[in-house]
Amino acid sequence: DIQMTQSPSSLSASVGDRVTITCRASQSISNFLNWYQQKPGKAPNPLIYAASNLHSGVPSRFSGSGSGTDFTLTISSLQPEDFATYYCQQSTITRPYTFGQGTKLENK
Amino acid sequence: EVQLVESGGGLVQPGGSLRLSCIASGFSFSDYWMNWVRQVPGKGLEWVANNKEDGSEKNYVDSVRGRFTISRDNAKNSLYLQMNNLRAEDTAVYYCARPTRGSYWYYDLWGRGTLVTVSS
Repeated sequence: DIQMTQSPSSLSASVGDRVTITCRASQSISNFLNWYQQKPGKAPNPLIYAASNLHSGVPSRFSGSGSGTDFTLTISSLQPEDFATYYCQQSTITRPYTFGQGTKLENK
Repeated sequence: EVQLVESGGGLVQPGGSLRLSCIASGFSFSDYWMNWVRQVPGKGLEWVANNKEDGSEKNYVDSVRGRFTISRDNAKNSLYLQMNNLRAEDTAVYYCARPTRGSYWYYDLWGRGTLVTVSS
């Protein structure tokens, strides 16, 4: 299985901060990397696909980068509605389609 | 409205069975692979199974293979997950999820989930 490791597991930040979350794959996944946002009691929502492409309707303050094994999700200026848990996921042809353990973004 | 609605969750004893359903609306269900993804409350996400558009190919995570069966009825726009010999570690919210089409796919549509609790 391809292991996906996110860091940090939790993060405290304030509105207006620039925030970066890292995701590392246990082997190269090219750019088959997706990011999701999940709020308590809700299903995940897609943010970014293919490492750097924004899902329709996602604000431009979100961006993604990386290739191979190392990826980042950046929120350029944190907004109140961005406090949530974020997950990365690999979508190569290699099953299972594994997710990172999540990064909980909390209000400082 | 484009949506997925799951049902069938509940409390079941270890060793018991449960059948989850997911009804799709607002899109051409038969054009998509469909997936089940689960989440232990307070924990991360885990892909469980997927099913090809015509139902001919089915794939499972190792931990459920041989116990769970994914199926679909395209005439009813429905996806199913038959879960047998349930274990405590199967306790989770089960989501029906639609991946986009193409090589660079991602889950662009999720249901609200249905909670399965395995406990005596």
